[in-house]
Amino acid sequence: QVHLQQSGPGLVKPSQTLSLTCAISGDSVSNDRIAWNWIRQSPSRGLEWLGRTYYRSGWKNDYTISLRGRIVVNPDTSKNQFSLQLSSVTPEDTAVYYCARDPGHSVDVWGQGTLVTVSS
Amino acid sequence: DVVVTQSPLSLPVTLGQPASISCTSSQSLLHSDGNTYLSWFQQRPGQAPRRLVYKVSNRDSGVPDRFSGSGSGTDFTLEISRVEAEDVGVYYCMQATHWPHYNFGQGTKLEIK
Repeated sequence: QVHLQQSGPGLVKPSQTLSLTCAISGDSVSNDRIAWNWIRQSPSRGLEWLGRTYYRSGWKNDYTISLRGRIVVNPDTSKNQFSLQLSSVTPEDTAVYYCARDPGHSVDVWGQGTLVTVSS
Repeated sequence: DVVVTQSPLSLPVTLGQPASISCTSSQSLLHSDGNTYLSWFQQRPGQAPRRLVYKVSNRDSGVPDRFSGSGSGTDFTLEISRVEAEDVGVYYCMQATHWPHYNFGQGTKLEIK
């Protein structure tokens, strides 16, 4: 059974970088049939897909257009995990952040969620 | 960008009665590979979303058979044949046909009357 365990700070100051990690058990970040995603949820934006990393004869990424330039999703094969970095955060980035597994055009396993508040 | 719209946004239901949630996409969700990548999720209070249905009508393991999905093209429906107390929560549809961006509906809050 696949399990995703998120970690990272719950409070980030404006203009700083939000960093979260998602540890994978029961699967491999290098599985070439899977994509590893970050999704966030806020009252104002609802559920919003942010980006993903996946291995297809090399590492690839996709990002939502609205965050391009601020977002990086990276795999860490040595620890079997992947991470989210979102730079230059503002209070509008306050949300519950989820990591999630995509076995092919869907999302079947979610992390527990991390509430990240952007505030000084 | 694809816009996914759900209705109603609030759904009060009597225990034991059926419930139906609609999901409409601004573009057809039929993929060039012949599949339609429309999923439904349930989110109970304080929990992460849980997938109920994928590819329009395929129920996930462990999902009660009172949940069923249907539809094609741009119009989809999640039906609950007889609502139980544990079904309270918010339901979301999600399109994943138009890679790489996934889009969620606004959510439908199901509550017991």
